[in-house]
Amino acid sequence: KQEVTQIPAALSVPEGENLVLNCSFTDSAIYNLQWFRQDPGKGLTSLLLIQSSQREQTSGRLNASLDKSSGRSTLYIAASQPGDSATYLCAVKPNTNAGKSTFGDGTTLTVKP
Amino acid sequence: EAQVTQNPRYLITVTGKKLTVTCSQNMNHEYMSWYRQDPGLGLRQIYYSMNVEVTDKGDVPEGYKVSRKEKRNFPLILESPSPNQTSLYFCASSLVDRVGYEQFFGPGTRLTVL
Repeated sequence: KQEVTQIPAALSVPEGENLVLNCSFTDSAIYNLQWFRQDPGKGLTSLLLIQSSQREQTSGRLNASLDKSSGRSTLYIAASQPGDSATYLCAVKPNTNAGKSTFGDGTTLTVKP
Repeated sequence: EAQVTQNPRYLITVTGKKLTVTCSQNMNHEYMSWYRQDPGLGLRQIYYSMNVEVTDKGDVPEGYKVSRKEKRNFPLILESPSPNQTSLYFCASSLVDRVGYEQFFGPGTRLTVL
């Protein structure tokens, strides 16, 4: 059974820092990996989607990488801002059944002004 | 505006009283899915649908039913709710194409079962 782990569970950084969030998965046979942002009491907002054949995706200050063989993905946030404070979740879909999704528990990021 | 909508957003009910949470998307997405989010347990998939009239169980389907009679709607039915179904519920949808399965989420429904 696929397990997805996000470490650390919480992270606090000063404004302006570059930071990396981690996502590990136990079964490397994935279809894709998606990063989301969740603000308190809100739904999930899609940030980046990486297909299994891709190594990375970029959107603005965000860069997500994927290393399937090691079962890892990282989300890099450049020049962090207080507005980046949120919980960041990763989710993987298996290549045997792209209908299923397994989520990590998330990393709660606080960016201090 | 492209979106996934859920109704109601908040619901308090009592054990055993049947309820339906509606989910609708206006993006012509084939794929739809329901999740529940609980502290310490994260997001877990309840049911999903690859297209009209096609539904499959996720990881925690017990106590739930779904139907997909139309492409845009995917209601979640709790025939006899119990307190352990108190949770935050999310509906999501995506295209099924070669770019593949980028999920878009609704705003959530907070359900309390007394």
